[in-house]
Amino acid sequence: GESVGLHLPTLSVQEGDNSIINCAYSNSASDYFIWYKQESGKGPQFIIDIRSNMDKRQGQRVTVLLNKTVKHLSLQIAATQPGDSAVYFCADFWGYASGGSYIPTFGRGTSLIVHP
Amino acid sequence: EPEVTQTPSHQVTQMGQEVILRCVPISNHLYFYWYRQILGQKVEFLVSFYNNEISEKSEIFDDQFSVERPDGSNFTLKIRSTKLEDSAMYFCASIERGLNTEAFFGQGTRLTVV
Repeated sequence: GESVGLHLPTLSVQEGDNSIINCAYSNSASDYFIWYKQESGKGPQFIIDIRSNMDKRQGQRVTVLLNKTVKHLSLQIAATQPGDSAVYFCADFWGYASGGSYIPTFGRGTSLIVHP
Repeated sequence: EPEVTQTPSHQVTQMGQEVILRCVPISNHLYFYWYRQILGQKVEFLVSFYNNEISEKSEIFDDQFSVERPDGSNFTLKIRSTKLEDSAMYFCASIERGLNTEAFFGQGTRLTVV
């Protein structure tokens, strides 16, 4: 089936640098995307979302960019901090289950390591 | 802040035994999900549940798996006869309504089959 995947399994940065995590999706019908952060031993935590009618969305220190032409998402983290160290997943929402619900589908994840 | 809660946090079971993983979704949410994550791998969809029935399931969700919402609050995943390869983190998630809304995840249950 169609899937979401991530380009880089590990990204190492220095504290204070900006981080960019990339994601490619293959389902052209996907119209809603979420970036999740997963710390060791914990469940995925919502960071930021974006709908397909947008190409950029900003949160606190994070920005998500969506390029529908090439089916690519990126997560930019400004002034990366040690507390940002985690695995980051993008998820696209596909399909219509009964009642019109989407089902989030995850890529493998990128491990972000922030060095002090 | 409302959250999805899962119990137990860690479950160790012998191969062939039945296990029940429990979840309490956020109270006004309507859509419920189970995912699993084998160590070091991606989060994989197992099943979605809406209006007291399964709405979608993946190929992983075979006859050994079942889900139930026995009362107004709990959402359970049962594995009838566990296998070693069922060892994973199992995450429950819920969504308030259908389109374009965030899925909230629990902290997971680590299932270890020995």
